[in-house]
Amino acid sequence: DQQVKQNSPSLSVQEGRISILNCDYTNSMFDYFLWYKKYPAEGPTFLISISSIKDKNEDGRFTVFLNKSAKHLSLHIVPSQPGDSAVYFCAASVFTGTYKYIFGTGTRLKVLA
Amino acid sequence: DAGVIQSPRHEVTEMGQEVTLRCKPISGHNSLFWYRQTMMRGLELLIYFNNNVPIDDSGMPEDRFSAKMPNASFSTLKIQPSEPRDSAVYFCASSPQLAGEYNEQFFGPGTRLTVL
Repeated sequence: DQQVKQNSPSLSVQEGRISILNCDYTNSMFDYFLWYKKYPAEGPTFLISISSIKDKNEDGRFTVFLNKSAKHLSLHIVPSQPGDSAVYFCAASVFTGTYKYIFGTGTRLKVLA
Repeated sequence: DAGVIQSPRHEVTEMGQEVTLRCKPISGHNSLFWYRQTMMRGLELLIYFNNNVPIDDSGMPEDRFSAKMPNASFSTLKIQPSEPRDSAVYFCASSPQLAGEYNEQFFGPGTRLTVL
């Protein structure tokens, strides 16, 4: 039972264009959503988050959009750079005494120079 | 701060052997998480601790898996006996516990386990 789904395992984008990574979830109790970025042979690192009470959060080239009615969030990277090539994990957070994350399966982004 | 430290970085073992993965969380962090990354299931939460106490181990796949946190600066994940399907990258993460915040998790570099 995958509560957080990333249906695109991979995505290729030209340098300078927009990258859009998508994520769907099923549990309406999730209160925070996060994106993590992972390079090969490294652990995931936090990229950006959004509270369930907001619909947009922006940090430099990265913007996350949340559509609660559709249970969908997306990460936009503009402009895309070759250094953005990595695996991106979407995660949803639920409080159960501490914040527990449910991760998606990841999307591998390749930005072509 | 050195971040979350995991050892070993790579482990190759034979089926049936015991495997112990180790983790040192960031000093001052109250919560510690063990994850397993596979192609099919992405990052799966196996177990997490809060103030050294296991809170949720529902993600532990079988009785062959066990985890301990004897003190605030050390945790182990043990697989006994190991099987080829346990081959994966195992991550440890820690987070502070701040009231009213989502508590960003900081990941270690992972241990790549191969069971032959």
